[in-house]
Amino acid sequence: GENVEQHPSTLSVQEGDSAVIKCTYSDSASNYFPWYKQELGKRPQLIIDIRSNVGEKKDQRIAVTLNKTAKHFSLHITETQPEDSAVYFCAASKGNYQLIWGAGTKLIIKP
Amino acid sequence: DAGVIQSPRHEVTEMGQEVTLRCKLISGHNSLFWYRQTMMRGLELLIYFNNNVPIDDSGMPEDRFSAKMPNASFSTLKIQPSEPRDSAVYFCASSLSETGELFFGEGSRLTVL
Repeated sequence: GENVEQHPSTLSVQEGDSAVIKCTYSDSASNYFPWYKQELGKRPQLIIDIRSNVGEKKDQRIAVTLNKTAKHFSLHITETQPEDSAVYFCAASKGNYQLIWGAGTKLIIKP
Repeated sequence: DAGVIQSPRHEVTEMGQEVTLRCKLISGHNSLFWYRQTMMRGLELLIYFNNNVPIDDSGMPEDRFSAKMPNASFSTLKIQPSEPRDSAVYFCASSLSETGELFFGEGSRLTVL
């Protein structure tokens, strides 16, 4: 079945620097790739998503890129701020309700 | 809209007791998901409802778990009898469609002693 691998499991960056989190998926039929952010003790919330007909999408300081050939997608956060500290989850689906989730990346922003 | 509302937020119970978790969907959403989150297993989909009908319950761990959606705005997840390995955070999430953005509730943290 579909599998989503997420790396790294923990990422520590200096405030103001960029952070990149990568995910790979196994099923080439996957066509929807959301990213959720979960702050400590809070609910996961969608921050950005991309569909397979697009290679890149940006929303202010965050961007997602998709490489369908290599079957991987990445989350980029620029000019990191303390409020970016959280666990980030990638996911993939084939356009139905079944989201296959990555294991999560704990992002730590060092002051 | 207040968002997805879950209760209780925290539940501590003893092994063997019945646990009922509750979820109120966002008005107008027709898709309802129950997830379980643990450090070891991450986010696991337990059951998915569409228009009040259970579509996929393959993630329900065993017969001790059951879920209902008696109307378009409310769902319950019941564990009977509960076991220590059921300790986790249980989230419900609703969506406008099966492929739309998931709106999660605050979660119910369950501890079974």
